[in-house]
Amino acid sequence: ETGVTQTPRHLVMGMTNKKSLKCEQHLGHNAMYWYKQSAKKPLELMFVYSLEERVENNSVPSRFSPECPNSSHLFLHLHTLQPEDSALYLCASSQTTRPGDTQYFGPGTRLTVL
Amino acid sequence: GQQLNQSPQSMFIQEGEDVSMNCTSSSIFNTWLWYKQDPGEGPVLLIALYKAGELTSNGRLTAQFGITRKDSFLNISASIPSDVGIYFCAGQAGGGADGLTFGKGTHLIIQP
Repeated sequence: ETGVTQTPRHLVMGMTNKKSLKCEQHLGHNAMYWYKQSAKKPLELMFVYSLEERVENNSVPSRFSPECPNSSHLFLHLHTLQPEDSALYLCASSQTTRPGDTQYFGPGTRLTVL
Repeated sequence: GQQLNQSPQSMFIQEGEDVSMNCTSSSIFNTWLWYKQDPGEGPVLLIALYKAGELTSNGRLTAQFGITRKDSFLNISASIPSDVGIYFCAGQAGGGADGLTFGKGTHLIIQP
């Protein structure tokens, strides 16, 4: 148990659906991240939020829309996804975005797009 | 972008054997991290390294931050069945806004 929870753990959706992934951290951290883990590829950073403001968008398609309503919660809103978007989506948090602040990961949401 | 070369890609070992894996980069990192990921779970931090040359242990695990800041290794001594999983190295050049750059992982398989 790392103090970072994600729901749902598994999600199957069609290309025309709209769904949201939720992440919650119980560590009192101020920075939160979304990563994508595809088969045979390294984890890829998608978004970084610090103090509820987005500080990094790593060239992610607009069909992925993040939201950070407070420092404990992070959402990833999904719409009109493609089958190649099927992956494990991981949320992480750290105390701040300063160098040396360790990132702790949640268990991930396994997303399948049909 | 930055890339990490992690090797080996997979390891088949006998229980009780020692394990060694490493990561190299063409660019400098200021932080090196080693994570383990079990099936269906997120990566769990094993060891964090913050200074070039630093050697840090966590139980049977030992990791080192290379002097050139372009490499790191992880050793596991006397492997046990629960060591099975995928081990990832990750490097961070600056702050968290840069995110972590991950290697592709080393899949450790322990044969009975």
